[in-house]
Amino acid sequence: QKEVEQNSGPLSVPEGAIASLNCTYSDRGSQSFFWYRQYSGKSPELIMFIYSNGDKEDGRFTAQLNKASQYVSLLIRDSQPSDSATYLCAVAWDFSGGYNKLIFGAGTRLAVHP
Amino acid sequence: DTGVSQDPRHKITKRGQNVTFRCDPISEHNRLYWYRQTLGQGPEFLTYFQNEAQLEKSRLLSDRFSAERPKGSFSTLEIQRTEQGDSAMYLCASSWLGQLVYGYTFGSGTRLTVV
Repeated sequence: QKEVEQNSGPLSVPEGAIASLNCTYSDRGSQSFFWYRQYSGKSPELIMFIYSNGDKEDGRFTAQLNKASQYVSLLIRDSQPSDSATYLCAVAWDFSGGYNKLIFGAGTRLAVHP
Repeated sequence: DTGVSQDPRHKITKRGQNVTFRCDPISEHNRLYWYRQTLGQGPEFLTYFQNEAQLEKSRLLSDRFSAERPKGSFSTLEIQRTEQGDSAMYLCASSWLGQLVYGYTFGSGTRLTVV
């Protein structure tokens, strides 16, 4: 059973602070890792993907991957109230020579307060 | 329109009725996915198509559920004899084979309420 684990939160941070969201996965065969943002009542929106160990930065977002520890994280710098949402971690596995689907964690709810 | 389109956005049905949802993927995407999401949970994989072939079905997809993608373009998801436990958001996503490494794009979803 391939699993993706996230702390459900809520994670509460003050405006302007760094929000750190974490995710672990069960299978070392995992290839690609994704962070989706989901506002209440809306569908998930892809914000970052990463497939190499290390950091990947995009604006205020930094994804960090450590395959040896089976750990992926998302840092949000200068958090804004508009960042308040649920953040979903997703993992893709490579089956039969091709990526087949994403498996999602339950999500971490982030609340940024003024 | 270049996004994934789902119809209807909301559906309220009585227990025991059949419902059908439609998904129109991004043009020329050959992979189409269906997920179900309940409150407080992440999206759960149901099934996916490559062109018109249904290549994988989750154990979550009971025999009351059926999905089709007859011409490799739009897809339908039908639920027969709906139960209250079927109440959820049903999400469709599409991607191009070989580009799943970049993730995929979800539609706006169909929210089903079974009363």
